[in-house]
Amino acid sequence: GQNIDQPTEMTATEGAIVQINCTYQTSGFNGLFWYQQHAGEAPTFLSYNVLDGLEEKGRFSSFLSRSKGYSYLLLKELQMKDSASYLCAVRDSNYQLIWGAGTKLIIKP
Amino acid sequence: ETGVTQTPRHLVMGMTNKKSLKCEQHLGHNAMYWYKQSAKKPLELMFVYNFKEQTENNSVPSRFSPECPNSSHLFLHLHTLQPEDSALYLCASSQDPGTGGTEAFFGQGTRLTVV
Repeated sequence: GQNIDQPTEMTATEGAIVQINCTYQTSGFNGLFWYQQHAGEAPTFLSYNVLDGLEEKGRFSSFLSRSKGYSYLLLKELQMKDSASYLCAVRDSNYQLIWGAGTKLIIKP
Repeated sequence: ETGVTQTPRHLVMGMTNKKSLKCEQHLGHNAMYWYKQSAKKPLELMFVYNFKEQTENNSVPSRFSPECPNSSHLFLHLHTLQPEDSALYLCASSQDPGTGGTEAFFGQGTRLTVV
């Protein structure tokens, strides 16, 4: 079967750095996505990786290793507004998105 | 403004009621999706429409009936639902996923409670 694993919940301190991991087992691979979802709101797109390596976008970076079936989302200089759920999703060989259950990130002052 | 609008935002319905969820996208996309989001579970893909044609139906019970009259509008008709159907229902749109296109854009969702 297809599976995406990510931690259920993480806690970090304002101003610090946090890394959210995602491992996947899918039938084929056509890219990996990270989304942010605040409580009661729509998921919003953060990043897309299709080749190995690091993609940097401001305070957020996303890394992919296809051989290891592994990705992480790195958030720097954490702000209170970064408290949200972070969803990892992989596009399989049929171009269907397979989703993880999300990681709830709690930021403390 | 996400470009994808869903109504209503909240809905409470009895198990014998019939209601419809509406989704409209203003992004010029040609693929639209219905997802179910339950607490602490992955997003569940329910239906996919590509160029107004249904291309996916992931074993969804017949009490959920989708309708896509054009590439900008998507409906989810609900009837005789069960309490376990209570969840957040999200609509999304994207460019044709078969071309490896873009990310999906989501609406705010409809929080459905079945009593």
